[in-house]
Amino acid sequence: GQQLNQSPQSMFIQEGEDVSMNCTSSSIFNTWLWYKQDPGEGPVLLIALYKAGELTSNGRLTAQFGITRKDSFLNISASIPSDVGIYFCAGQLGLNYGGATNKLIFGTGTLLAVQP
Amino acid sequence: GAVVSQHPSRVICKSGTSVKIECRSLDFQATTMFWYRQFPKKSLMLMATSNEGSKATYEQGVEKDKFLINHASLTLSTLTVTSAHPEDSSFYICSARDRQSNQPQHFGDGTRLSIL
Repeated sequence: GQQLNQSPQSMFIQEGEDVSMNCTSSSIFNTWLWYKQDPGEGPVLLIALYKAGELTSNGRLTAQFGITRKDSFLNISASIPSDVGIYFCAGQLGLNYGGATNKLIFGTGTLLAVQP
Repeated sequence: GAVVSQHPSRVICKSGTSVKIECRSLDFQATTMFWYRQFPKKSLMLMATSNEGSKATYEQGVEKDKFLINHASLTLSTLTVTSAHPEDSSFYICSARDRQSNQPQHFGDGTRLSIL
């Protein structure tokens, strides 16, 4: 199945450092989503982006919807140990109403390890 | 907030057994639910879109006779892995979209299926 290119694949950082990861696609999406997944659990939504160029924050997290609608990035500032996990981007063709355009295409994931 | 419950969380069974996994939206109605499969250290791959009152839409390469989906009510979708074999062992995750909201899909906590 289709997947989005996400980088880096993994990051090992010290507590307090800032983190940046990005996601690129050959297709245009109308919605970009960022999720965090802990081991053995389902993904949890961090940030949703609905407009090209949009910059949205959620606490220490900031994400941007690329102007071309083919990419997005997520920044985490001042990382803490509980930020450990796998981060996934996801692109959605639709805008959350009706039909198959609500399918999500996930990125390949970024494993984040934070050393205290 | 919106909650999606998935049951069972873990199942271990013998090869040849059929296994049913339930996905319930607890506090909202979902005309559309999605089933994903995730291999260790890999991303989520969409298997099928479950549509209430109609047939599921399967992604390319997913055997519809192997992975039976039933979405008989607005709060319940089931995935049955028929005659399961060791290669069907995986983490299966469902998600559901609130039909009265423009919010993104909400994910369940997944089912770890192990076929011996």
